[in-house]
Amino acid sequence: NAGVTQTPKFQVLKTGQSMTLQCAQDMNHNSMYWYRQDPGMGLRLIYYSASEGTTDKGEVPNGYNVSRLNKREFSLRLESAAPSQTSVYFCASRVTGTGSYNEQFFGPGTRLTVL
Amino acid sequence: GDSVTQMEGPVTLSEEACLTINCTYTATGYPSLFWYVQYPGEGLQLLLKATKADDKGSNKGFEATYRKETTSFHLEKGSVQVSDSAVYFCALSDQTGGSYIPTFGRGTSLIVHP
Repeated sequence: NAGVTQTPKFQVLKTGQSMTLQCAQDMNHNSMYWYRQDPGMGLRLIYYSASEGTTDKGEVPNGYNVSRLNKREFSLRLESAAPSQTSVYFCASRVTGTGSYNEQFFGPGTRLTVL
Repeated sequence: GDSVTQMEGPVTLSEEACLTINCTYTATGYPSLFWYVQYPGEGLQLLLKATKADDKGSNKGFEATYRKETTSFHLEKGSVQVSDSAVYFCALSDQTGGSYIPTFGRGTSLIVHP
């Protein structure tokens, strides 16, 4: 049981390049999330997927797209990377039940630098 | 909308000192409350949670009590260790339009010296 896995762990891009961050979970969770973490800003939600086949924008979606490929996988794409997208990106998943009490499980993060 | 406010860090303590990290929240419904911990170079992991008023969550010597009257969920530990050095996030989960979108505080860095 690997939990939430993310690839790659580190990436350096040049401005204008594109890339896809991969995330997979093996806990049969319905909901998945993408966050970015910047110094002094805490976690900011980029996109989330409440269930397979649905995606919604979070707080900071500009410059990103997502795909919920199946129940296990949720990818984040940067079409034209900008230096402002230099950050640490975290994927998370969560069981969706009838209450708000279920915690999120986080991956180890992808550290992205855009030059 | 929902919000979480945490005390700013870093909090610097000597080993065996007492710890309190303050957290207050605003929410429209009846949220669940969480503390997550992030060790250097890692993702967040759940430390403890409480799902209703007056509940106390506890784990690894840390405790927090859900206080609805003061809308608070302060994290406490009686004797910290160097290994507790990490960033601590307070969070709440409330139902918004049928989706449970968690709201996080900005995090509080704890540094414990030997």
